[in-house]
Amino acid sequence: ETGVTQTPRHLVMGMTNKKSLKCEQHLGHNAMYWYKQSAKKPLELMFVYSLEERVENNSVPSRFSPECPNSSHLFLHLHTLQPEDSALYLCASSQVFNRGADTQYFGPGTRLTVL
Amino acid sequence: AQSVTQLDSQVPVFEEAPVELRCNYSSSVSVYLFWYVQYPNQGLQLLLKYLSGSTLVKGINGFEAEFNKSQTSFHLRKPSVHISDTAEYFCAVSDPGYSSASKIIFGSGTRLSIRP
Repeated sequence: ETGVTQTPRHLVMGMTNKKSLKCEQHLGHNAMYWYKQSAKKPLELMFVYSLEERVENNSVPSRFSPECPNSSHLFLHLHTLQPEDSALYLCASSQVFNRGADTQYFGPGTRLTVL
Repeated sequence: AQSVTQLDSQVPVFEEAPVELRCNYSSSVSVYLFWYVQYPNQGLQLLLKYLSGSTLVKGINGFEAEFNKSQTSFHLRKPSVHISDTAEYFCAVSDPGYSSASKIIFGSGTRLSIRP
C-alpha cells in the first residue's frame, strides 16, 4: 500500500449504531487530519493530530471521537449519528516541517450514509 | 480570520480551450496559497502552492497560478484543457504562523467540466 488509505470506502449506518473509520498513512508523516466534505459546502477541518497529540478540535460534536494511537494510524469513532452527518470523510497527512507550507496528502475518503 | 472565495461553482469549457478558475482570499496577515484537485471518487491532491518569491507558480498537469497581492487573488489557469482535467478544484489558504502541523482553509470548490 502506498500513500494514504481509508477503510471502509462506503459505510451505511443507523442512528443508534457505533462504527469506526480507519486511516493509515505510509508516507512517514507525523501529522494527520480528519475533514468532512458535504455537498455544496467547503471542506470542514474536524481534527488535527501532530506527533500523536490532538492540536485542533474544530467544535466537532462529541458523537465524533478521534483516536491516533501512533503516527501512521488515525481513527474516527462514530456513535448516535444524525442524518446530517452523512458526508464524505477525508483523512490527510503531512510532514510537519514548515508549518502552514506543508502539503497535505489525502486518502480517497469514506462515504458515510446515516439512515 | 482567513477565508477563501471561489466565485464560480461550475465552469464548462470545450476541450483544448483555455480556462481560468478564480480565487480570492481574505486575510490580515501574509498567507500561503494552494490549489488542490479532486478527481471523481478520489481524495484531493496538490496542484501547486505559493509560499514566497515569484508570483507565477507552475504546477502539475500544465496548470499555473498567479499570486496578486493587491487584488488578493490567486487565479488558476491552463492554456489548453483536456478531458482528463474534469474534476473539482479547490483553492486554499493557510496561516504561516499556525503553531503546529498545517491548518488549511478551503474554498467551496469549482467543478470543471470539459466538453469534447
